[in-house]
Amino acid sequence: QVQLVESGGGLVKPGGSLRLSCVASGFNFSDYYMSWIRQAPGKGLESVAYMSSSGSVVYYAGSVKGRFTISRDNARKSLYLLMNSLRADDTAVYYCARPYYMDVWGKGTTVIVSS
Amino acid sequence: EIVMTQSPATLSVSPGERATLSCRASQSIRRSLAWYQQKPGQAPRLLIYGAFTRATGIPARFSGSGSGTEFTLTISSLQSEDFAVYYCQQYEDWPPLTFGGGTKVEIK
Repeated sequence: QVQLVESGGGLVKPGGSLRLSCVASGFNFSDYYMSWIRQAPGKGLESVAYMSSSGSVVYYAGSVKGRFTISRDNARKSLYLLMNSLRADDTAVYYCARPYYMDVWGKGTTVIVSS
Repeated sequence: EIVMTQSPATLSVSPGERATLSCRASQSIRRSLAWYQQKPGQAPRLLIYGAFTRATGIPARFSGSGSGTEFTLTISSLQSEDFAVYYCQQYEDWPPLTFGGGTKVEIK
């Protein structure tokens, strides 16, 4: 069964950090680009970051560039998102998904940035 | 960056009726378009890719059409479980992969 499971969300103060994780199963993780997509409360979907299968190609949305770092460990079938200097507008559900069209999604992990 | 625009923002439809949702791309994306359904508290679910190919397990009442810059998702006869928010997304020219703002299909 193809599955993605995110973890690591929580409540953090502005300026703080969090590290999200996504564990894949049921497919050959090392063959695929992977992505983080987020959805702020009551809002639409926003691409946050992507990483190529080997990790050599990365992309960040302008709103997170310089603050977030995407990484992966193909041996562990895991994708990560290190989020630094968090702001209130980073509050969202963060999904791990398999692009280009997102045929596999995790259930998401909630990040709340608030003092 | 390709901008995706969906209309209408909200569509009020009675059960059993047809729903037609539109998505427009700011430049040609050929047929590199996907549609998703999202229900409250759930992750999006892929419905259509390649503009018209249904994903695994998606009922035949969902159909996609269009190419270039204009696309349509049609739900032929709305069932109670179809009331949700629908998003389109292009994957022709990325990064970034871009989504439309969504259309909420609500019960009339």
